[in-house]
Order: sequence, then structure tokens, then C-alpha cells
Amino acid sequence: KNEVEQSPQNLTAQEGEFITINCSYSVGISALHWLQQHPGGGIVSLFMLSSGKKKHGRLIATINIQEKHSSLHITASHPRDSAVYICAVSNFGNEKLTFGTGTRLTIIP
Amino acid sequence: DAGVIQSPRHEVTEMGQEVTLRCKPISGHNSLFWYRQTMMRGLELLIYFNNNVPIDDSGMPEDRFSAKMPNASFSTLKIQPSEPRDSAVYFCASSPGLNFDTQYFGPGTRLTVL
Repeated sequence: KNEVEQSPQNLTAQEGEFITINCSYSVGISALHWLQQHPGGGIVSLFMLSSGKKKHGRLIATINIQEKHSSLHITASHPRDSAVYICAVSNFGNEKLTFGTGTRLTIIP
Repeated sequence: DAGVIQSPRHEVTEMGQEVTLRCKPISGHNSLFWYRQTMMRGLELLIYFNNNVPIDDSGMPEDRFSAKMPNASFSTLKIQPSEPRDSAVYFCASSPGLNFDTQYFGPGTRLTVL
């Protein structure tokens, strides 16, 4: 079974700061997902990646397959970025996702 | 597209009652997933279907839980009899069904069993 760990568990930052959230996993994967869960509870898929780097607006996701590690970066953070960010991985030949415990991000104006 | 639709959004029931949660996936998606989220355990996969066939139900906690997908546009998750420890938010998600696909989540059903 793949173990997925995220750090930090909680992160509070000032508006405008550069944010980094980390995710590591124990077994080789087919893809890694970053999800965002807003205070209201809804879950949105931000990225799915299997190599390299992806960028969407102020969000950047990177993955290092050899090191079994991914990072989610937020540039010029804003209070509306406050949410729980969840890393999840899927294994080869299987669409089943294994989730990390999430990182609760709070951006203070 | 309306996205993944779940009903009801909130359900409060008494211990021992049957509970049925419903999900309509995005049209054209071939895979459907049922998840449960609790404070203690976070998000957990319960079961997933591909082309209406259950592929992996290893996350279903016990025989009280059952899931069906009678057609490509509808799925149910049933708990009978319900217990207080089943209280959680239940999410349904769908994806186009190929490997490396993004999953699209519904708004969730918040279940409270008294």
C-alpha cells in the first residue's frame, strides 16, 4: 500500500507570500493529483501530473519521480487561496486514489 | 455541463435506518468513485466502477454498505442498517475513465446518524 505524507499539516502566511506544500509517497505511481478543498467542503482537482511541472495561473506543481516527491507552489498568495490542499496518488493499472492527510493553508490579509 | 450531481446534500437519520445516497456522473464519463471523508481518517475510497462494473470495493467498510451502478448515468450507495460511526461526508466523483485522468468531485452528502 502506498503511504502518502504531506507537510506541513498547517500553514499560516501573510498575503503575498510564496507558499510551498510538499507531498511524498512510498511506492512508484502512475500519477499524482493535487486537490483543493474549500471551507465549504467542495473538492476541486487542481493538477494531475506524472512527470515534470505544470502551471495554472499562480499555482505550480512539480514532481520528482526518482525522489517520490511533489510540491505545490502558490505565488503571490491571496486570502482566497485559504483551503485544505490534498495530495493523492494512483498506482499503475489502477484508478484508485490514495490520499494524504491534507495541508490546511490560511492566508492572512 | 452540470458537473457531478449528488443527492441529498444533507441527511439526518436515526441509527438502524436505511440510507441511500445518489450520484449522477458527468455525461460521457466511464469511471465513478465513492469516497468517504471523516475528521479522523480523511478521504478514503470506498468503491469505484468502470463502465458500470465494480472494479475495486476493498474500501467498503462492511456488509452494511452496498453500491450499485445500474446504468452509466446513475449510482447509489446504500447503508443498511446505519450506525453513528457512519456519520461523514460522502463524495462521488467521475472521470473519463482512462488512466491518468482527472477526477471531478460532486458537492458531497453530509450524513449524520443519530
